[in-house]
Amino acid sequence: DIQMTQSPSSLSASVGDRVTITCRASQSISSYLNWYQQKPGKAPKLLIYAASSLQSGVPSRFSGSGSGTDFTLTISSLQPEDFATFYCQQSYSSALTFGGGTKVEIK
Amino acid sequence: QVQLQESGPGLVKPSQTLSLTCTVSGGSISSGSYYWSWIRQPAGKGLEWIGRIYTSGSTNYNPSLKSRVTISVDTSKNQFSLKLRSVTAADTAVYYCAGDSSGYYPFFDPWGQGTLVTVSS
Repeated sequence: DIQMTQSPSSLSASVGDRVTITCRASQSISSYLNWYQQKPGKAPKLLIYAASSLQSGVPSRFSGSGSGTDFTLTISSLQPEDFATFYCQQSYSSALTFGGGTKVEIK
Repeated sequence: QVQLQESGPGLVKPSQTLSLTCTVSGGSISSGSYYWSWIRQPAGKGLEWIGRIYTSGSTNYNPSLKSRVTISVDTSKNQFSLKLRSVTAADTAVYYCAGDSSGYYPFFDPWGQGTLVTVSS
C-alpha cells in the first residue's frame, strides 16, 4: 500500500491567515493526488484534483502544488467557512488511500 | 447531476454480514464515467477506502479488508452494493458511497451523504 502522511494533524489559525498543509506519499505518485474538505456531519468535498487543479466552484483561495512524493494545500486567506478537516488522497495505485487528516481550528 | 444515496440497516450484530446499497440518480451507473466506491469513517477518525467496482464487474479492494468484502453492481436498478462479512465493533462507522471518476486523474466526486452502521449485540 502507498501510505499518505499529513502534517500537521491539527492547527489553529485566525481568519485571514495563510494556511499550508503538507501531504507526503511513501512512494512517488506523480500528480495523482487529491484534496478534500470535510465539515462535521457532512461528506467530504473535493477541492483539488491532480495535485493542482481546482475543482469547479471551489474558491480560488485554495491551491495545491507538488508532485512525486511531496504535496501542499494552501489556503491564501482563511475564511470562517474554511474551518474543517482536510484530507489528501492518492489515486496512483489501484489500492486507494487517504492521509490521516488535518483539522483546522479557530485560534 | 449524479447523486448518490446509501441505504441499509443501521445496526448489525457482531459476526454477521453488513449489507449496504447505494442508489445512483441523475445518470446511468453504466455510463462508464465512474468507478463506484465505498469509503468508511469511524467516529472521530479518518477516511478508509473499502473498495470499488466498475460496471464491467471488475473490482479493487483495500488489502486489509479484501478477505471480508464483496462489492457488486445491479445495472437494472442503477445500484451498487457492499457486503462486509464477520463484522466486529471495529467496523462501526459512517459508510459513504462515492463515484470515483474514471478519467486520467481519478478522484471521488460525487459522494453520498453517508449512513451510520453500528455493530452491537
